[in-house]
Amino acid sequence: DTGVSQDPRHKITKRGQNVTFRCDPISEHNRLYWYRQTLGQGPEFLTYFQNEAQLEKSRLLSDRFSAERPKGSFSTLEIQRTEQGDSAMYLCASSLLGTGDRAFFGQGTRLTVV
Amino acid sequence: DQQVKQNSPSLSVQEGRISILNCDYTNSMFDYFLWYKKYPAEGPTFLISISSIKDKNEDGRFTVFLNKSAKHLSLHIVPSQPGDSAVYFCAATRSGGSYIPTFGRGTSLIVHP
Repeated sequence: DTGVSQDPRHKITKRGQNVTFRCDPISEHNRLYWYRQTLGQGPEFLTYFQNEAQLEKSRLLSDRFSAERPKGSFSTLEIQRTEQGDSAMYLCASSLLGTGDRAFFGQGTRLTVV
Repeated sequence: DQQVKQNSPSLSVQEGRISILNCDYTNSMFDYFLWYKKYPAEGPTFLISISSIKDKNEDGRFTVFLNKSAKHLSLHIVPSQPGDSAVYFCAATRSGGSYIPTFGRGTSLIVHP
């Protein structure tokens, strides 16, 4: 499978715990995005990388959130001290610089904070 | 502030008829528009896009129309099929910028056999 893969698919955690999600983009794609989606909403932009550089972060990305893409390949999104409001689907997408349009999404990680 | 708006949360259509999904945007800097389709428990998949230099783009049963003066676009599906039942997201971005697509809230399409 050469699409975008995310791990885990589901995560249930207790409030206050830290969680980390992983995204493996399409191998030749140099742009990687993280989005969050809650019920009844469209995907909301969190942050994106071009190669290993994190170029933009949304206001939604509080200081409890951190994302990395250490070698310009896979990326991790960590949420520290999770809150119930963090419960959402976290989507990763990748695209090829220059296309500017067609972002390919993974299946997402469903986070439930109890 | 919603820059991309899909004002119809749901749409129900008979199989074989036309489905028309609408999208409005407020940011005049947007010049590239995309439609994504999402099935439950899956990520969105790209469907069709249109650049602001065009007013129509067609791909099989799917056609997207862009009205720049009205800041409005629509997706037409003809003929609609039960397998088209999904949530459709409109997204907008701008070339020359950071290429971050901004999404609407989606329209849930149900195609009845």
